[in-house]
Amino acid sequence: GENVEQHPSTLSVQEGDSAVIKCTYSDSASNYFPWYKQELGKRPQLIIDIRSNVGEKKDQRIAVTLNKTAKHFSLHITETQPEDSAVYFCAASRGGIQGAQKLVFGQGTRLTINP
Amino acid sequence: DAGVTQSPTHLIKTRGQHVTLRCSPISGHKSVSWYQQVLGQGPQFIFQYYEKEERGRGNFPDRFSARQFPNYSSELNVNALLLGDSALYLCASIMTGSGANVLTFGAGSRLTVL
Repeated sequence: GENVEQHPSTLSVQEGDSAVIKCTYSDSASNYFPWYKQELGKRPQLIIDIRSNVGEKKDQRIAVTLNKTAKHFSLHITETQPEDSAVYFCAASRGGIQGAQKLVFGQGTRLTINP
Repeated sequence: DAGVTQSPTHLIKTRGQHVTLRCSPISGHKSVSWYQQVLGQGPQFIFQYYEKEERGRGNFPDRFSARQFPNYSSELNVNALLLGDSALYLCASIMTGSGANVLTFGAGSRLTVL
């Protein structure tokens, strides 16, 4: 089955600097890669996703890159702000109506933004 | 519009007991799935239901069961609770046929087994 590895487990950056979180996956049939942000005691919330037919996607300060050949994808946050502090999870699935619900998550990265 | 709603939000059980968790998907969403999130880990897929039928099951024992009702709400049942079942149980729903396939999570039910 699919296995998703996420690194680093913790990341501390200065406010205004960039943060990068990396994930690798094992199932070559995976074609949907979402990133979720989870604040303490709250639900995971989708912040950005990418599908296998694109290599990069941006949304303001957040970007995700995908390398299907190497089976890895990354989250990039620029100009970090204190409200970016949270746990971030990458995930992978085979997409489609049924596959999209069977997300395999990474272990999470606790991001701390230092003022 | 209400998001994915789950109940109860918190509950405490003892080993060997049974628990039922409930979920109402976003209006118009016909597919729901359940995830278990142990403290400090990523969510793990338990079940997927679409049109009242089980469409997928994760690596969980038979003590875990679920069902979906005609109004697309769902419940997760766990029998013979173990200490290791303590976790946040997340329900998620998805708009089928939209092409976007974005999964939206509820706030979860936090289960503590003593």
